[in-house]
Amino acid sequence: SQKIEQNSEALNIQEGKTATLTCNYTNYSPAYLQWYRQDPGRGPVFLLLIRENEKEKRKERLKVTFDTTLKQSLFHITASQPADSATYLCALDPSGGYQKVTFGTGTKLQVIP
Amino acid sequence: GAGVSQSPSNKVTEKGKDVELRCDPISGHTALYWYRQSLGQGLEFLIYFQGNSAPDKSGLPSDRFSAERTGGSVSTLTIQRTQQEDSAVYLCASSLFGLGGMDNSPLHFGNGTRLTVT
Repeated sequence: SQKIEQNSEALNIQEGKTATLTCNYTNYSPAYLQWYRQDPGRGPVFLLLIRENEKEKRKERLKVTFDTTLKQSLFHITASQPADSATYLCALDPSGGYQKVTFGTGTKLQVIP
Repeated sequence: GAGVSQSPSNKVTEKGKDVELRCDPISGHTALYWYRQSLGQGLEFLIYFQGNSAPDKSGLPSDRFSAERTGGSVSTLTIQRTQQEDSAVYLCASSLFGLGGMDNSPLHFGNGTRLTVT
């Protein structure tokens, strides 16, 4: 069956360090992969999209990699700040036909001052 | 510009009652989604609309759940004879559906309706 796995345990890191979150998937051939941020009591907010033919995408302090051989995406936040504390969700779209977007369970990141 | 609006933000209902949840998507967004998020869980896909039609209802948990969308805009999710296991946050999202899939169409979420069935 199709599965998207993110670290279920919370990730605690020191302010200023780089946070690395993992998204692994099985039985998918996603055309696109997205990362979202979710704060308590709010809906997810889109951060970055990466296509299957792209290896890496950057936006300010964020970097996403996409390895379709390993079936894995890594999400990096450099120079992390306490304001980066949130839950981060990866999402897959299996094709360009229509967007049945499927989400992972998310990883909670806590940046400690 | 307004984002996706959901109402009510909170709803407490007694077991067995019907509830209606409303979603106002971003103007011009043709695609609309409903998801459910239980405490500490990921987002569970419920239903997808393209315009007023729902090509994918595969995520609706039971026949007590139904959804409609009118005028290519507002959508309502109805849960009949609510059960305690229906308690969750119901999230609505919209996107500007374009050719090529997600390329230009990230999902824009509302802040959800927190449903509590007592």
